This record gives sequence, structure tokens and C-alpha cells, in this order.
Amino acid sequence: DAGVIQSPRHEVTEMGQEVTLRCKPISGHNSLFWYRQTMMRGLELLIYFNNNVPIDDSGMPEDRFSAKMPNASFSTLKIQPSEPRDSAVYFCASSLRENTEAFFGQGTRLTVV
Amino acid sequence: GDSVTQMEGPVTLSEEAFLTINCTYTATGYPSLFWYVQYPGEGLQLLLKATKADDKGSNKGFEATYRKETTSFHLEKGSVQVSDSAVYFCAPVGSGGSNYKLTFGKGTLLTVNP
Repeated sequence: DAGVIQSPRHEVTEMGQEVTLRCKPISGHNSLFWYRQTMMRGLELLIYFNNNVPIDDSGMPEDRFSAKMPNASFSTLKIQPSEPRDSAVYFCASSLRENTEAFFGQGTRLTVV
Repeated sequence: GDSVTQMEGPVTLSEEAFLTINCTYTATGYPSLFWYVQYPGEGLQLLLKATKADDKGSNKGFEATYRKETTSFHLEKGSVQVSDSAVYFCAPVGSGGSNYKLTFGKGTLLTVNP
């Protein structure tokens, strides 16, 4: 398996623009996570899906952030409008089921100028 | 909820030195415990894991033992290499109910000098 695939790897956008990050989890995994990593806050869980259903979105910072999982093989994280403080590395991870190890993608480095 | 306290870095060692990175956790029930490693510019990779008390996880010369009595999962390696330079994360994951998610520590940056 190719592992968790994220796109794009790098994104530079202007403040106020919409940004969409994409993730393809490992086939057969039923849990999907979106994390954000910054120097100041470390790794933060943004949202967790189980069987394509959002279970916990308490980590989503504000209404500007939204995430969807229309099917078992695809998820998106959208920021609209983007702000400079959203600059971070965003990771998608999937796991076979709850409470097992997660496999991470390579991440998307987002820079909002 | 679950939480983890990890040794603060950065840690700088010379090649072939002994490494210990401390990790203690709080969790309900009987969590599984993981160490992840993040090399520069990459995502996190699972380094090793232990799923029950007294289990020892090991990989690439690294070891960690699940100590339920002290709620610890310290990472050790007898002889580090330059290629071990990375950030290391300790993470418990709960044993059920709403404790489904990996709870990461802040990470410990390890630098190994030749």
C-alpha cells in the first residue's frame, strides 16, 4: 500500500483565500484524523472521523475550518478565509480501527501570507 | 481525558552514547502505548508499541517497557547514531469508549553529533 497520501505537499496562499487540503487514507482503515503541527502548540488533533462520520471536531479552531469525508477513500480540510496564523503543517493520519496505531501522511506545509 | 508528559528537549548526544527519553501518562483503563519518530520534513512514523503491562516494544535498537505501576513508557537506546537525530513523540491511546485518539506529548528533539 502507498500509505496515507496528502496533497498538496506545499501551499502558499494569500490571506483571505480559500485553501483545501486533501487526504487519501490507507485502504481498509476506518479511522481518519487531521492534525496541525506548529512550533508553539506542537501536534493538535483537529478532527476525527470513524467510518466517514465526524466523531469529534472539538479541536477545529473556528468556523473558518471545515472537514469532510464523502467516502472511505477521501477527506478534505478546508480553511475559508485563511489567515496568517493558520500557517502550519497539516497532517492526515488513518488507522485500521479505533485505539490502534495511526499511520501519517507526509503532511501539507501551509503558508498564508 | 488522556494526557502525556514527555521529557523536554532538546537532547544532544555524541554518537554511541546511551539514550533515555522519559514518558509518563495518565489514561483511563488500559491504554496502548506508542513511540513515534519524526525525521526532518517528514510525517510521524511508528517506532514501537506495547499493548499491555510489562510488554516491551522494540525496533531499530530502541526499546520501551510498559510500566503500569509507574504509568511510564521510557524510550531507551544503548548506542545512538547520527541517523537517529529526529523528534520523538510518546503517545497513549485509550482502551475504549471515547478514548480513541492518540494523545501526543510535545515531542523531544534529539540531535546526535558524530
